[in-house]
Amino acid sequence: KNQVEQSPQSLIILEGKNCTLQCNYTVSPFSNLRWYKQDTGRGPVSLTIMTFSENTKSNGRYTATLDADTKQSSLHITASQLSDSASYICVVTLDKVTGGTSYGKLTFGQGTILTVHP
Amino acid sequence: EAQVTQNPRYLITVTGKKLTVTCSQNMNHEYMSWYRQDPGLGLRQIYYSMNVEVTDKGDVPEGYKVSRKEKRNFPLILESPSPNQTSLYFCASTWTGGETEAFFGQGTRLTVV
Repeated sequence: KNQVEQSPQSLIILEGKNCTLQCNYTVSPFSNLRWYKQDTGRGPVSLTIMTFSENTKSNGRYTATLDADTKQSSLHITASQLSDSASYICVVTLDKVTGGTSYGKLTFGQGTILTVHP
Repeated sequence: EAQVTQNPRYLITVTGKKLTVTCSQNMNHEYMSWYRQDPGLGLRQIYYSMNVEVTDKGDVPEGYKVSRKEKRNFPLILESPSPNQTSLYFCASTWTGGETEAFFGQGTRLTVV
């Protein structure tokens, strides 16, 4: 069964500190993995995408890594800010060519709730 | 500006009273879907549509209907809402090109009493 598991479920850090969120997936055939940020009561917004051939990608203070062999991804947040308080969701997409009629279907992790305290 | 627009944002209704949540996108995407989000359960797909007049069940379709008569619109219909459908609902429009990306609406918080 295609699954995405995230850890930790929740995390509290102080402003200015770094943190790392984890994502393990079993989705196959794999197309890409995105990290989304969801503010409370709002729709998720994409932060970064990782394709099969990519290992690391940065977007400002966010750095995502992907190990396609172990099927693991991480999202590292540097110098956290109060505005980073949100839920971070790992989403994996099936490959369009080999995924059959399920292409476009997204498999969601349950998210990590990050709280940044002043 | 690329947008997915849902309405209403908040809705309180009574058990059994039919309701429709509208969703519209301006990105010409073929793939659209509806999700519900409940505490501890994450986002779960209700229905999806791969193109006009093509819809299919997601993971939790019971109690919901959808239609796709036009590419830009994908309404969610609750024919007879029940309290267990109280949830936060999101419509998403998905670009299924090389780097698939879902664009989400603002969400609809539905309470059924």
